[in-house]
Amino acid sequence: DVKVTQSSRYLVKRTGEKVFLECVQDMDHENMFWYRQDPGLGLRLIYFSYDVKMKEKGDIPEGYSVSREKKERFSLILESASTNQTSMYLCASSLGIREIVIMTEAFFGQGTRLTVV
Amino acid sequence: KNQVEQSPQSLIILEGKNCTLQCNYTVSPFSNLRWYKQDTGRGPVSLTIMTFSENTKSNGRYTATLDADTKQSSLHITASQLSDSASYICVVTPDQTGANNLFFGTGTRLTVIP
Repeated sequence: DVKVTQSSRYLVKRTGEKVFLECVQDMDHENMFWYRQDPGLGLRLIYFSYDVKMKEKGDIPEGYSVSREKKERFSLILESASTNQTSMYLCASSLGIREIVIMTEAFFGQGTRLTVV
Repeated sequence: KNQVEQSPQSLIILEGKNCTLQCNYTVSPFSNLRWYKQDTGRGPVSLTIMTFSENTKSNGRYTATLDADTKQSSLHITASQLSDSASYICVVTPDQTGANNLFFGTGTRLTVIP
């Protein structure tokens, strides 16, 4: 079974803190994604990566950065956490080179519920 | 305007009953459509995936249908169980390359009561 593991289920951080959310997948997938999920808004793409050291902005990258130093690990960084970044964060991965990614399935981690106070 | 609309927003049914969830999309051209189940506090898990040429796909008690002409999909759950209580999310992929091109519906929250 594909396993996408996020380092924390629940996090509480203070405003202004630097926050790291870690995601690891064990199926040698090329593509990895970070989404946030808010009530009534569905999943929104923050950043994605289709290769090591490659990253591209999604729909809502402001206030976030990412790092992909190894194929299996994709980190989301909140440089200075703010209360409007309180949300459920979901990591996903999928197989395939960029040109065929549309035919493959995305596997999700269990989510990290981040609260910024 | 969201390009993937789901209805109803929430639904409560009795255990053992059937139900149907709807997904309407405007994404075009269209490559594939997926239904995910998301338990509370968990990440989404894929139920079905259909390409534009497929009309129906089943996964146990879950059956998804697709009408590419009207841009509608439905997820039918048969003989519901308490464990079916979850959010069901419709995801549409357009017919173009690019790993970021996934359009998500906001989900239908299903509650199955005994």
